[in-house]
Amino acid sequence: ETGVTQSPTHLIKTRGQQVTLRCSSQSGHNTVSWYQQALGQGPQFIFQYYREEENGRGNFPPRFSGLQFPNYSSELNVNALELDDSALYLCASSWDRANTEAFFGQGTRLTVV
Amino acid sequence: AQSVTQPDIHITVSEGASLELRCNYSYGATPYLFWYVQSPGQGLQLLLKYFSGDTLVQGIKGFEAEFKRSQSSFNLRKPSVHWSDAAEYFCAVGTLGNEKLTFGTGTRLTIIP
Repeated sequence: ETGVTQSPTHLIKTRGQQVTLRCSSQSGHNTVSWYQQALGQGPQFIFQYYREEENGRGNFPPRFSGLQFPNYSSELNVNALELDDSALYLCASSWDRANTEAFFGQGTRLTVV
Repeated sequence: AQSVTQPDIHITVSEGASLELRCNYSYGATPYLFWYVQSPGQGLQLLLKYFSGDTLVQGIKGFEAEFKRSQSSFNLRKPSVHWSDAAEYFCAVGTLGNEKLTFGTGTRLTIIP
Protein backbone atom coordinates (compact mmCIF):
# COMPACT_ATOMS: atom_id res chain seq x y z
CA GLU A 1 0.00 0.00 0.00
CA THR A 2 1.69 3.16 -1.22
CA GLY A 3 -0.90 5.76 -0.28
CA VAL A 4 -1.26 6.77 -3.92
CA THR A 5 -4.75 6.11 -5.21
CA GLN A 6 -6.01 6.33 -8.76
CA SER A 7 -9.53 6.36 -10.12
CA PRO A 8 -11.19 4.81 -11.90
CA THR A 9 -9.42 1.44 -12.05
CA HIS A 10 -10.86 0.54 -15.44
CA LEU A 11 -12.43 2.60 -18.17
CA ILE A 12 -13.75 1.98 -21.67
CA LYS A 13 -14.10 4.91 -24.06
CA THR A 14 -14.92 5.38 -27.72
CA ARG A 15 -12.44 6.83 -30.19
CA GLY A 16 -12.76 10.62 -30.32
CA GLN A 17 -14.06 10.96 -26.79
CA GLN A 18 -12.35 12.71 -23.89
CA VAL A 19 -11.27 11.14 -20.60
CA THR A 20 -10.15 12.36 -17.18
CA LEU A 21 -8.09 10.20 -14.87
CA ARG A 22 -7.47 11.10 -11.24
CA CYS A 23 -4.66 10.59 -8.79
CA SER A 24 -4.44 11.27 -5.07
CA SER A 25 -0.85 11.71 -3.92
CA GLN A 26 0.78 10.29 -0.85
CA SER A 27 0.62 12.67 2.09
CA GLY A 28 3.53 15.13 2.12
CA HIS A 29 4.35 14.69 -1.57
CA ASN A 30 4.25 17.78 -3.77
CA THR A 31 5.27 16.17 -7.07
CA VAL A 32 3.14 14.03 -9.34
CA SER A 33 4.27 12.31 -12.52
CA TRP A 34 2.13 10.49 -15.04
CA TYR A 35 3.22 7.54 -17.13
CA GLN A 36 1.63 5.54 -19.94
CA GLN A 37 2.32 1.81 -20.02
CA ALA A 38 1.27 0.06 -23.20
CA LEU A 39 0.83 -3.69 -23.12
CA GLY A 40 4.19 -5.45 -22.91
CA GLN A 41 6.13 -2.21 -22.55
CA GLY A 42 7.74 -0.22 -19.79
CA PRO A 43 6.11 2.97 -18.54
CA GLN A 44 6.66 6.08 -20.69
CA PHE A 45 6.86 9.52 -19.08
CA ILE A 46 3.97 11.83 -19.99
CA PHE A 47 4.56 14.83 -17.74
CA GLN A 48 5.26 15.96 -14.21
CA TYR A 49 3.60 18.54 -11.99
CA TYR A 50 5.38 20.24 -9.13
CA ARG A 51 3.45 22.58 -6.85
CA GLU A 52 0.66 22.99 -9.41
CA GLU A 53 2.96 23.82 -12.33
CA GLU A 54 3.99 21.56 -15.21
CA ASN A 55 7.64 20.74 -14.63
CA GLY A 56 8.50 18.64 -17.64
CA ARG A 57 6.90 16.78 -20.47
CA GLY A 58 7.65 13.67 -22.45
CA ASN A 59 7.02 13.00 -26.11
CA PHE A 60 3.22 13.19 -25.98
CA PRO A 61 0.95 15.45 -28.04
CA PRO A 62 -0.88 18.46 -26.55
CA ARG A 63 -4.14 16.52 -26.35
CA PHE A 64 -2.58 15.00 -23.22
CA SER A 65 -2.92 17.63 -20.52
CA GLY A 66 -2.95 17.74 -16.76
CA LEU A 67 -3.67 19.63 -13.61
CA GLN A 68 -2.38 19.58 -10.08
CA PHE A 69 -4.52 20.97 -7.29
CA PRO A 70 -3.53 22.79 -4.08
CA ASN A 71 -3.82 19.53 -2.15
CA TYR A 72 -1.37 18.06 -4.72
CA SER A 73 -3.88 15.64 -6.18
CA SER A 74 -3.77 15.51 -9.96
CA GLU A 75 -5.73 14.87 -13.12
CA LEU A 76 -4.68 13.58 -16.52
CA ASN A 77 -6.92 14.61 -19.39
CA VAL A 78 -6.80 13.09 -22.84
CA ASN A 79 -8.82 14.61 -25.68
CA ALA A 80 -9.74 13.10 -29.03
CA LEU A 81 -8.96 9.57 -27.91
CA GLU A 82 -7.24 7.25 -30.36
CA LEU A 83 -7.07 3.48 -30.31
CA ASP A 84 -3.35 3.65 -29.47
CA ASP A 85 -4.18 5.48 -26.26
CA SER A 86 -5.32 2.16 -24.82
CA ALA A 87 -2.90 1.50 -21.98
CA LEU A 88 -2.35 1.42 -18.24
CA TYR A 89 -1.92 4.96 -16.92
CA LEU A 90 0.21 5.22 -13.83
CA CYS A 91 0.53 8.08 -11.42
CA ALA A 92 3.61 8.45 -9.23
CA SER A 93 4.02 10.84 -6.32
CA SER A 94 7.28 11.98 -4.82
CA TRP A 95 8.56 14.54 -2.37
CA ASP A 96 11.06 15.81 -4.96
CA ARG A 97 11.19 16.49 -8.70
CA ALA A 98 14.02 14.01 -9.28
CA ASN A 99 11.81 11.14 -8.12
CA THR A 100 14.44 9.86 -5.71
CA GLU A 101 11.67 7.77 -4.20
CA ALA A 102 8.54 7.69 -6.31
CA PHE A 103 5.46 5.82 -5.13
CA PHE A 104 3.15 4.51 -7.81
CA GLY A 105 -0.57 3.99 -7.75
CA GLN A 106 -2.18 0.85 -9.11
CA GLY A 107 -3.05 2.52 -12.36
CA THR A 108 -6.08 3.10 -14.54
CA ARG A 109 -6.60 0.65 -17.38
CA LEU A 110 -8.00 2.64 -20.33
CA THR A 111 -9.45 0.81 -23.31
CA VAL A 112 -10.37 2.82 -26.40
CA VAL A 113 -12.73 1.09 -28.84
CA ALA B 1 19.21 10.78 -24.36
CA GLN B 2 19.01 8.35 -21.52
CA SER B 3 18.00 4.77 -22.24
CA VAL B 4 17.65 1.46 -20.42
CA THR B 5 18.02 -2.00 -21.90
CA GLN B 6 16.75 -5.16 -20.29
CA PRO B 7 17.99 -7.88 -22.62
CA ASP B 8 15.89 -10.70 -21.18
CA ILE B 9 12.20 -10.51 -21.99
CA HIS B 10 11.29 -13.64 -20.02
CA ILE B 11 13.22 -15.72 -17.49
CA THR B 12 12.13 -18.97 -15.85
CA VAL B 13 13.82 -20.23 -12.71
CA SER B 14 13.11 -22.98 -10.23
CA GLU B 15 11.96 -22.10 -6.76
CA GLY B 16 14.99 -21.90 -4.48
CA ALA B 17 17.38 -21.18 -7.34
CA SER B 18 19.39 -17.99 -7.64
CA LEU B 19 18.34 -15.15 -9.91
CA GLU B 20 20.06 -12.42 -11.87
CA LEU B 21 18.17 -9.93 -14.03
CA ARG B 22 20.23 -7.78 -16.34
CA CYS B 23 20.00 -4.04 -16.86
CA ASN B 24 22.20 -1.78 -18.97
CA TYR B 25 21.80 1.97 -19.13
CA SER B 26 23.03 4.79 -21.28
CA TYR B 27 23.30 8.24 -19.81
CA GLY B 28 25.92 10.97 -19.91
CA ALA B 29 25.57 12.22 -16.35
CA THR B 30 25.73 10.29 -13.10
CA PRO B 31 22.56 8.25 -13.06
CA TYR B 32 20.14 7.36 -10.36
CA LEU B 33 19.20 3.71 -10.86
CA PHE B 34 16.12 1.88 -9.70
CA TRP B 35 14.52 -1.52 -9.80
CA TYR B 36 10.74 -1.79 -9.62
CA VAL B 37 8.49 -4.86 -9.50
CA GLN B 38 4.99 -5.07 -10.93
CA SER B 39 2.58 -7.87 -10.10
CA PRO B 40 -0.36 -8.52 -12.44
CA GLY B 41 -2.93 -5.75 -12.20
CA GLN B 42 -0.78 -3.78 -9.80
CA GLY B 43 1.26 -0.61 -9.89
CA LEU B 44 5.02 -0.47 -9.51
CA GLN B 45 6.74 -1.16 -6.21
CA LEU B 46 10.26 0.11 -5.56
CA LEU B 47 12.68 -2.72 -4.74
CA LEU B 48 15.88 -0.73 -4.41
CA LYS B 49 17.74 2.32 -5.66
CA TYR B 50 21.29 3.55 -6.20
CA PHE B 51 22.39 7.17 -6.05
CA SER B 52 26.03 7.08 -4.95
CA GLY B 53 28.42 5.40 -2.56
CA ASP B 54 28.57 1.66 -2.04
CA THR B 55 27.94 0.03 -5.41
CA LEU B 56 26.16 -2.97 -3.87
CA VAL B 57 22.73 -1.95 -2.65
CA GLN B 58 20.27 -3.96 -0.64
CA GLY B 59 16.55 -3.77 -1.16
CA ILE B 60 13.33 -5.23 0.07
CA LYS B 61 12.29 -8.87 -0.25
CA GLY B 62 15.91 -10.08 -0.18
CA PHE B 63 16.94 -8.44 -3.45
CA GLU B 64 20.24 -6.71 -4.09
CA ALA B 65 21.80 -4.97 -7.08
CA GLU B 66 25.30 -4.01 -8.08
CA PHE B 67 26.21 -0.83 -9.96
CA LYS B 68 29.11 -1.31 -12.35
CA ARG B 69 30.03 1.97 -14.00
CA SER B 70 32.58 0.38 -16.35
CA GLN B 71 29.89 -1.90 -17.76
CA SER B 72 27.00 0.59 -17.49
CA SER B 73 25.09 -2.12 -15.70
CA PHE B 74 22.85 -2.42 -12.67
CA ASN B 75 21.92 -6.09 -12.38
CA LEU B 76 19.39 -7.34 -9.87
CA ARG B 77 20.11 -10.50 -7.88
CA LYS B 78 18.47 -12.75 -5.36
CA PRO B 79 20.17 -15.84 -3.89
CA SER B 80 17.02 -17.94 -3.57
CA VAL B 81 13.72 -17.12 -5.28
CA HIS B 82 10.27 -17.80 -3.89
CA TRP B 83 7.09 -18.49 -5.87
CA SER B 84 5.82 -15.08 -4.77
CA ASP B 85 8.66 -13.41 -6.71
CA ALA B 86 6.91 -14.20 -10.00
CA ALA B 87 6.20 -10.78 -11.53
CA GLU B 88 7.45 -8.23 -14.06
CA TYR B 89 10.66 -6.42 -13.15
CA PHE B 90 11.61 -3.00 -14.48
CA CYS B 91 14.92 -1.21 -14.34
CA ALA B 92 14.75 2.59 -14.50
CA VAL B 93 17.20 5.48 -14.69
CA GLY B 94 16.85 9.09 -13.62
CA THR B 95 19.21 11.90 -12.72
CA LEU B 96 19.36 15.01 -10.59
CA GLY B 97 17.75 17.86 -12.47
CA ASN B 98 15.76 15.58 -14.74
CA GLU B 99 12.16 15.07 -13.86
CA LYS B 100 11.50 11.84 -15.66
CA LEU B 101 12.34 8.22 -15.03
CA THR B 102 13.24 6.19 -18.10
CA PHE B 103 12.20 2.56 -17.87
CA GLY B 104 13.35 -0.56 -19.63
CA THR B 105 10.85 -2.83 -21.33
CA GLY B 106 10.81 -5.21 -18.39
CA THR B 107 11.68 -8.84 -17.65
CA ARG B 108 8.92 -11.27 -16.85
CA LEU B 109 9.96 -13.76 -14.17
CA THR B 110 8.29 -17.16 -13.96
CA ILE B 111 8.96 -19.48 -11.03
CA ILE B 112 8.55 -23.22 -11.45
CA PRO B 113 8.21 -25.66 -8.53
